[in-house]
Amino acid sequence: EDQVTQSPEALRLQEGESSSLNCSYTVSGLRGLFWYRQDPGKGPEFLFTLYSAGEEKEKERLKATLTKKESFLHITAPKPEDSATYLCAVYDNFNKFYFGSGTKLNVKP
Amino acid sequence: DVKVTQSSRYLVKRTGEKVFLECVQDMDHENMFWYRQDPGLGLRLIYFSYDVKMKEKGDIPEGYSVSREKKERFSLILESASTNQTSMYLCASSPLPGTSGGAGQYFGPGTRLTVT
Repeated sequence: EDQVTQSPEALRLQEGESSSLNCSYTVSGLRGLFWYRQDPGKGPEFLFTLYSAGEEKEKERLKATLTKKESFLHITAPKPEDSATYLCAVYDNFNKFYFGSGTKLNVKP
Repeated sequence: DVKVTQSSRYLVKRTGEKVFLECVQDMDHENMFWYRQDPGLGLRLIYFSYDVKMKEKGDIPEGYSVSREKKERFSLILESASTNQTSMYLCASSPLPGTSGGAGQYFGPGTRLTVT
């Protein structure tokens, strides 16, 4: 059973076209939800940590939100340099991390 | 800034060789992890360690072992490399969870290992 599911698998946007990436989870006892950005051939880069439903975090054109069952990564007016794979991970009460398979974002100029 | 470094960015080894991948973190984190990442399979946990000389198997430990003699260093060992171990290997570290919840993992740049 998948603990973390990300959708869509791939997303193509025009520059300036805002959208959202979804991360849904089924772990019991969420202790933290994390968003990462990964560029080809590199390690994931840490973006945000969210701990409880209703929490929001922002960084430049990115905004992460959390509910009891899912998290969204909103991208406002994206630029080509935002193209990357975005990974979501959760940490549960049993001290285990679960990663989603990622959303590959391509922003065209 | 947290820094996690890995000994090599690219590595080519022959089948049957013993391979050592080294990882060092400079933030005094208790937890360290080794993953492999393959297209279509995502990140898969090989081993992790929550303290010096402690280790726990992850989801795919077969064919691998680890060593953690010092807090800042976590080594992944391929006892006898095989072609199906060709992959991107990622090391990560994280602090112990605080009272507010879990702490995220910080990743190194990765080692692209090719076994021929």
